[in-house]
Amino acid sequence: GQQVMQIPQYQHVQEGEDFTTYCNSSTTLSNIQWYKQRPGGHPVFLIQLVKSGEVKKQKRLTFQFGEAKKNSSLHITATQTTDVGTYFCAGRGSGGYQKVTFGTGTKLQVIP
Amino acid sequence: GAVVSQHPSWVICKSGTSVKIECRSLDFQATTMFWYRQFPKQSLMLMATSNEGSKATYEQGVEKDKFLINHASLTLSTLTVTSAHPEDSSFYICSAIPTGRSPLHFGNGTRLTVT
Repeated sequence: GQQVMQIPQYQHVQEGEDFTTYCNSSTTLSNIQWYKQRPGGHPVFLIQLVKSGEVKKQKRLTFQFGEAKKNSSLHITATQTTDVGTYFCAGRGSGGYQKVTFGTGTKLQVIP
Repeated sequence: GAVVSQHPSWVICKSGTSVKIECRSLDFQATTMFWYRQFPKQSLMLMATSNEGSKATYEQGVEKDKFLINHASLTLSTLTVTSAHPEDSSFYICSAIPTGRSPLHFGNGTRLTVT
């Protein structure tokens, strides 16, 4: 079945440093979504990417969808303590309606 | 918009009892809802896809007789954990999508502890 892996699993950064998490799917995706989950909370939707090579920005966050629609990345510029949490990518399979498979997640810790 | 309500937020039950978790779409109709389970420090694993008016589709390895799903209306899906055991203790989260290509909207989750 479809597998979605993320690296790194954990990342500790000093406040103000940049952070990137990478997402790779075993199969081609129709779209990819990114979620953030704080400890004890539920995943909160950040963004959805649909087109091959698409790049979207949300303030300090930059999201990319690979040309082959099998990988994606999330880059945070100048991290802040409010960025702490686990970031999940979630891919929807291609070819009609498909379920959404979550990536393994990257836990970000920001050291003030 | 696209609010999903999940109840209860947390529940503690004794081994052998059953627990029902409700998931409601408050401002949209959801013909499909999804039930995920998340163990500590792990990702969300899809358990089943709940389809209004028909049987749920379970993922491989998920016992359909243990995790009963009912999606009787366009706004309500329920997950019943039957004969719960300590290993069923987990964070259960439902989600729904307003349209076929929309992102998932999650409920707040239910933390189940089986003693």
